[in-house]
Amino acid sequence: KQEVTQIPAALSVPEGENLVLNCSFTDSAIYNLQWFRQDPGKGLTSLLLIQSSQREQTSGRLNASLDKSSGRSTLYIAASQPGDSATYLCAVRKHDMRFGAGTRLTVKP
Amino acid sequence: EPEVTQTPSHQVTQMGQEVILRCVPISNHLYFYWYRQILGQKVEFLVSFYNNEISEKSEIFDDQFSVERPDGSNFTLKIRSTKLEDSAMYFCASESGGNTEAFFGQGTRLTVV
Repeated sequence: KQEVTQIPAALSVPEGENLVLNCSFTDSAIYNLQWFRQDPGKGLTSLLLIQSSQREQTSGRLNASLDKSSGRSTLYIAASQPGDSATYLCAVRKHDMRFGAGTRLTVKP
Repeated sequence: EPEVTQTPSHQVTQMGQEVILRCVPISNHLYFYWYRQILGQKVEFLVSFYNNEISEKSEIFDDQFSVERPDGSNFTLKIRSTKLEDSAMYFCASESGGNTEAFFGQGTRLTVV
């Protein structure tokens, strides 16, 4: 059974820092991995999708990498801003999507 | 920008009552999903729907749950007899193709009292 783990559970940084969020999964036979942002009490906003054949995807200040063989993905956020404060979820897809518990990020002005 | 729309945003119902949660997926999408998130827990898969039938379902999706695409635009989740433990945020998602980028709605917060 696929298990998805995200470390750290919470992270607080000053504005402007570059940071890395980690996601690991136990079954490397996945079709893709997707990173989401969730604001409190809100829905999931898609950030990046990495297909299993890809190594990384970039969108603006965000860069996500995938190492399928080792069961790991990282989300890199450059020059963090207070507006980046949210919970970041990773989800791996084989048939259905399995989610991690998320990393709650706080960026202090 | 196209988006997945869910109604209502919040529903309070008495235990044992039936509820219907509604979703309007992105118009050219073909794959539809329901997920739920109990407060403080992970997002969990309930069911996937393609070509007017269920393609996958989790062990959570028992006989109390059903899904329907009644008119080619709406996608509904029905819970026949709600239980306290059904209280959660329910998310609808859609995709243009299988295993492509999933787009989620803002969710319906269901509270069973």
